[in-house]
Amino acid sequence: EAQVTQNPRYLITVTGKKLTVTCSQNMNHEYMSWYRQDPGLGLRQIYYSMNVEVTDKGDVPEGYKVSRKEKRNFPLILESPSPNQTSLYFCASSFRLAGSQNEQFFGPGTRLTVL
Amino acid sequence: AQSVAQPEDQVNVAEGNPLTVKCTYSVSGNPYLFWYVQYPNRGLQFLLKYITGDNLVKGSYGFEAEFNKSQTSFHLKKPSALVSDSALYFCAVRGYYGNNRLAFGKGNQVVVIP
Repeated sequence: EAQVTQNPRYLITVTGKKLTVTCSQNMNHEYMSWYRQDPGLGLRQIYYSMNVEVTDKGDVPEGYKVSRKEKRNFPLILESPSPNQTSLYFCASSFRLAGSQNEQFFGPGTRLTVL
Repeated sequence: AQSVAQPEDQVNVAEGNPLTVKCTYSVSGNPYLFWYVQYPNRGLQFLLKYITGDNLVKGSYGFEAEFNKSQTSFHLKKPSALVSDSALYFCAVRGYYGNNRLAFGKGNQVVVIP
């Protein structure tokens, strides 16, 4: 089944404790992206990647890191989480060919709470 | 930079009545427009998109959307709403030029009343 998977689905942590949220897709997509969803703000892009070893900042990159060492994986790293990073996080992927026309496929989401 | 406005926080509609969710956009050049739906505790699912051609686009689950260039709008419609259509709906836009970044609206909660 074609899908985007994220782990963990739920995470409660404390301020300053490094964490990684994994994202993996099995559709051979070149493009991958991370979003956070907050009430009243919709989805805001954190980072995106056009292909392996190519990443760039989105609209709200502060406090996050990403890497793209393999085509299928795009982990999101919070080196020192803070309470304002409490949010619902989504990973998404799409084909790069004819880039702008392609719809994105979303993972199920990771609900993160930072105490 | 591209942006989307979804002016209503919540849309209430009786089952069987027409459903409309409004979206206006701002982008440089020609727009690529998308609608996504989010059911509770789920990720976003693609509904439909406008790339070029016919202004009326048909998508999944009986939804359609009309592109209006002069009004910079892309309203989502369904002729007869079902209770199962109750969900959060997002409009998104991307410009013809650029880096594949997608700008989302804040979302509209649709409540279909039995």
